[in-house]
Amino acid sequence: AQRVTQPEKLLSVFKGAPVELKCNYSYSGSPELFWYVQYSRQRLQLLLRHISRESIKGFTADLNKGETSFHLKKPFAQEEDSAMYYCALKETSGSRLTFGEGTQLTVNP
Amino acid sequence: ETGVTQSPTHLIKTRGQQVTLRCSSQSGHNTVSWYQQALGQGPQFIFQYYREEENGRGNFPPRFSGLQFPNYSSELNVNALELDDSALYLCASSTGLAGAETQYFGPGTRLLVL
Repeated sequence: AQRVTQPEKLLSVFKGAPVELKCNYSYSGSPELFWYVQYSRQRLQLLLRHISRESIKGFTADLNKGETSFHLKKPFAQEEDSAMYYCALKETSGSRLTFGEGTQLTVNP
Repeated sequence: ETGVTQSPTHLIKTRGQQVTLRCSSQSGHNTVSWYQQALGQGPQFIFQYYREEENGRGNFPPRFSGLQFPNYSSELNVNALELDDSALYLCASSTGLAGAETQYFGPGTRLLVL
Protein backbone atom coordinates (compact mmCIF):
# COMPACT_ATOMS: atom_id res chain seq x y z
CA ALA A 1 0.00 0.00 0.00
CA GLN A 2 1.14 3.53 -0.64
CA ARG A 3 2.39 5.67 2.19
CA VAL A 4 3.56 9.29 2.55
CA THR A 5 5.82 10.37 5.40
CA GLN A 6 6.54 13.92 6.47
CA PRO A 7 9.07 13.53 9.28
CA GLU A 8 8.73 17.05 10.71
CA LYS A 9 5.44 18.08 12.28
CA LEU A 10 6.81 21.56 13.03
CA LEU A 11 9.43 23.62 11.23
CA SER A 12 10.50 27.12 12.19
CA VAL A 13 12.83 29.37 10.19
CA PHE A 14 13.67 33.06 10.01
CA LYS A 15 12.60 35.30 7.17
CA GLY A 16 15.11 35.14 4.34
CA ALA A 17 16.48 31.75 5.35
CA PRO A 18 16.22 28.71 3.08
CA VAL A 19 13.53 26.21 3.90
CA GLU A 20 13.10 22.54 3.03
CA LEU A 21 10.04 20.50 3.91
CA LYS A 22 10.73 16.79 3.65
CA CYS A 23 8.47 14.22 2.06
CA ASN A 24 9.19 10.53 1.51
CA TYR A 25 6.86 8.05 -0.08
CA SER A 26 6.50 4.34 -0.60
CA TYR A 27 4.71 3.09 -3.68
CA SER A 28 5.57 0.24 -6.01
CA GLY A 29 4.53 1.97 -9.22
CA SER A 30 5.14 5.42 -10.70
CA PRO A 31 3.31 7.89 -8.51
CA GLU A 32 2.18 11.42 -9.09
CA LEU A 33 3.26 13.70 -6.24
CA PHE A 34 1.73 16.93 -5.01
CA TRP A 35 2.24 19.57 -2.39
CA TYR A 36 -0.91 21.10 -0.90
CA VAL A 37 -0.90 24.13 1.42
CA GLN A 38 -3.40 25.40 3.95
CA TYR A 39 -3.02 29.00 5.13
CA SER A 40 -4.68 30.09 8.34
CA ARG A 41 -8.49 30.05 8.03
CA GLN A 42 -8.32 29.05 4.35
CA ARG A 43 -9.10 25.84 2.56
CA LEU A 44 -6.59 23.28 1.39
CA GLN A 45 -5.18 24.28 -1.99
CA LEU A 46 -2.74 22.86 -4.48
CA LEU A 47 0.71 24.42 -4.35
CA LEU A 48 2.46 22.37 -7.01
CA ARG A 49 2.58 18.97 -8.71
CA HIS A 50 5.69 17.21 -9.88
CA ILE A 51 4.58 16.67 -13.47
CA SER A 52 4.29 20.43 -13.97
CA ARG A 53 7.92 21.02 -12.96
CA GLU A 54 7.06 24.61 -12.16
CA SER A 55 7.91 27.05 -9.39
CA ILE A 56 4.98 28.46 -7.44
CA LYS A 57 5.49 31.32 -4.97
CA GLY A 58 9.21 30.58 -5.17
CA PHE A 59 8.75 26.95 -4.11
CA THR A 60 10.10 24.03 -6.10
CA ALA A 61 10.03 20.28 -5.57
CA ASP A 62 11.90 17.58 -7.43
CA LEU A 63 10.81 13.98 -7.54
CA ASN A 64 13.74 11.71 -6.65
CA LYS A 65 12.67 8.18 -7.49
CA GLY A 66 15.92 6.68 -6.21
CA GLU A 67 15.41 8.16 -2.75
CA THR A 68 11.58 8.06 -3.05
CA SER A 69 11.44 11.68 -1.97
CA PHE A 70 9.64 14.85 -3.04
CA HIS A 71 11.06 17.57 -0.81
CA LEU A 72 9.69 21.12 -1.05
CA LYS A 73 12.27 23.91 -1.14
CA LYS A 74 12.40 27.67 -1.15
CA PRO A 75 15.67 29.61 -1.09
CA PHE A 76 14.38 32.63 0.85
CA ALA A 77 11.38 32.10 3.15
CA GLN A 78 8.81 34.88 3.62
CA GLU A 79 6.48 35.44 6.57
CA GLU A 80 3.47 34.82 4.33
CA ASP A 81 4.78 31.27 3.72
CA SER A 82 3.72 30.34 7.26
CA ALA A 83 1.12 27.61 6.77
CA MET A 84 0.43 23.88 7.00
CA TYR A 85 1.98 21.93 4.14
CA TYR A 86 0.84 18.46 3.05
CA CYS A 87 2.61 16.15 0.66
CA ALA A 88 0.28 13.85 -1.27
CA LEU A 89 0.61 10.92 -3.65
CA LYS A 90 -1.74 9.72 -6.38
CA GLU A 91 -1.48 6.29 -7.93
CA THR A 92 -0.99 6.26 -11.69
CA SER A 93 -4.04 4.10 -12.25
CA GLY A 94 -6.22 5.35 -9.43
CA SER A 95 -7.78 8.54 -8.27
CA ARG A 96 -7.32 8.74 -4.53
CA LEU A 97 -4.83 11.06 -2.88
CA THR A 98 -2.77 9.68 0.00
CA PHE A 99 -1.63 12.50 2.27
CA GLY A 100 1.19 12.79 4.75
CA GLU A 101 0.50 14.10 8.24
CA GLY A 102 1.61 17.60 7.34
CA THR A 103 4.33 20.04 8.41
CA GLN A 104 3.46 23.32 10.11
CA LEU A 105 5.90 25.92 8.79
CA THR A 106 6.44 29.11 10.76
CA VAL A 107 8.54 31.89 9.28
CA ASN A 108 9.66 34.30 11.97
CA PRO A 109 10.41 37.99 11.27
CA GLU B 1 -16.71 30.31 -11.45
CA THR B 2 -18.07 29.04 -8.12
CA GLY B 3 -15.76 27.08 -5.83
CA VAL B 4 -16.50 23.95 -3.87
CA THR B 5 -19.01 24.53 -1.07
CA GLN B 6 -19.93 22.29 1.85
CA SER B 7 -22.76 22.31 4.36
CA PRO B 8 -23.14 22.51 7.23
CA THR B 9 -19.93 24.09 8.50
CA HIS B 10 -20.24 22.55 11.96
CA LEU B 11 -22.32 19.73 13.38
CA ILE B 12 -22.72 18.08 16.77
CA LYS B 13 -24.22 14.60 17.02
CA THR B 14 -24.41 11.88 19.64
CA ARG B 15 -23.11 8.35 19.38
CA GLY B 16 -25.39 6.06 17.36
CA GLN B 17 -27.00 8.86 15.35
CA GLN B 18 -26.82 9.29 11.60
CA VAL B 19 -25.46 12.31 9.72
CA THR B 20 -25.58 13.63 6.15
CA LEU B 21 -22.97 16.05 4.85
CA ARG B 22 -23.34 17.88 1.56
CA CYS B 23 -20.96 19.10 -1.09
CA SER B 24 -21.49 21.20 -4.19
CA SER B 25 -18.76 20.70 -6.73
CA GLN B 26 -17.03 23.47 -8.62
CA SER B 27 -18.75 24.47 -11.84
CA GLY B 28 -17.85 22.10 -14.66
CA HIS B 29 -16.51 19.36 -12.37
CA ASN B 30 -17.94 15.84 -12.56
CA THR B 31 -15.89 14.07 -9.88
CA VAL B 32 -16.21 14.41 -6.12
CA SER B 33 -13.89 12.86 -3.53
CA TRP B 34 -14.49 12.76 0.22
CA TYR B 35 -11.78 12.80 2.88
CA GLN B 36 -11.77 12.53 6.66
CA GLN B 37 -9.23 14.61 8.54
CA ALA B 38 -8.79 13.79 12.21
CA LEU B 39 -7.12 16.35 14.46
CA GLY B 40 -3.37 16.53 13.78
CA GLN B 41 -3.57 14.16 10.83
CA GLY B 42 -3.56 14.49 7.08
CA PRO B 43 -6.77 13.91 5.12
CA GLN B 44 -7.71 10.25 4.57
CA PHE B 45 -9.55 9.15 1.44
CA ILE B 46 -13.07 7.84 2.05
CA PHE B 47 -14.41 7.40 -1.49
CA GLN B 48 -14.88 9.08 -4.82
CA TYR B 49 -17.82 9.53 -7.17
CA TYR B 50 -17.47 9.98 -10.91
CA ARG B 51 -20.59 10.72 -12.94
CA GLU B 52 -22.86 9.37 -10.18
CA GLU B 53 -20.98 6.08 -9.72
CA GLU B 54 -18.63 5.17 -6.86
CA ASN B 55 -15.11 5.04 -8.27
CA GLY B 56 -12.75 3.91 -5.54
CA ARG B 57 -13.10 3.52 -1.79
CA GLY B 58 -10.65 3.84 1.07
CA ASN B 59 -10.41 1.78 4.23
CA PHE B 60 -13.72 2.88 5.77
CA PRO B 61 -16.58 0.63 6.97
CA PRO B 62 -19.87 0.32 5.03
CA ARG B 63 -21.64 2.67 7.45
CA PHE B 64 -19.88 5.40 5.45
CA SER B 65 -21.87 5.75 2.25
CA GLY B 66 -22.32 8.35 -0.42
CA LEU B 67 -24.27 9.57 -3.34
CA GLN B 68 -23.69 11.82 -6.32
CA PHE B 69 -26.54 13.62 -8.06
CA PRO B 70 -27.02 14.47 -11.76
CA ASN B 71 -25.76 18.00 -11.09
CA TYR B 72 -22.60 16.36 -9.62
CA SER B 73 -23.23 17.56 -6.08
CA SER B 74 -22.67 14.87 -3.49
CA GLU B 75 -23.66 13.62 -0.05
CA LEU B 76 -21.70 11.70 2.55
CA ASN B 77 -23.80 9.67 4.97
CA VAL B 78 -22.49 8.14 8.15
CA ASN B 79 -24.67 5.73 10.15
CA ALA B 80 -24.26 4.58 13.73
CA LEU B 81 -21.88 7.38 14.60
CA GLU B 82 -18.92 6.57 16.83
CA LEU B 83 -16.77 8.92 18.90
CA ASP B 84 -13.84 8.37 16.51
CA ASP B 85 -15.91 9.77 13.65
CA SER B 86 -15.28 13.24 15.09
CA ALA B 87 -13.22 14.95 12.42
CA LEU B 88 -13.17 17.51 9.63
CA TYR B 89 -14.81 16.11 6.50
CA LEU B 90 -13.49 17.51 3.25
CA CYS B 91 -14.85 17.16 -0.20
CA ALA B 92 -12.85 17.87 -3.33
CA SER B 93 -14.05 18.19 -6.88
CA SER B 94 -12.20 17.70 -10.12
CA THR B 95 -12.83 17.13 -13.77
CA GLY B 96 -11.51 14.74 -16.36
CA LEU B 97 -11.20 11.03 -16.07
CA ALA B 98 -11.99 9.98 -12.54
CA GLY B 99 -10.07 12.63 -10.71
CA ALA B 100 -7.01 12.64 -12.93
CA GLU B 101 -6.98 16.42 -12.80
CA THR B 102 -6.28 18.69 -9.84
CA GLN B 103 -8.66 18.27 -6.93
CA TYR B 104 -10.13 21.48 -5.51
CA PHE B 105 -11.13 21.32 -1.86
CA GLY B 106 -14.08 22.75 0.00
CA PRO B 107 -13.81 24.40 3.42
CA GLY B 108 -14.92 21.26 5.22
CA THR B 109 -17.60 20.25 7.71
CA ARG B 110 -16.44 19.82 11.29
CA LEU B 111 -18.31 16.96 12.96
CA LEU B 112 -18.24 16.38 16.69
CA VAL B 113 -19.68 13.15 18.06
CA LEU B 114 -20.47 13.13 21.78
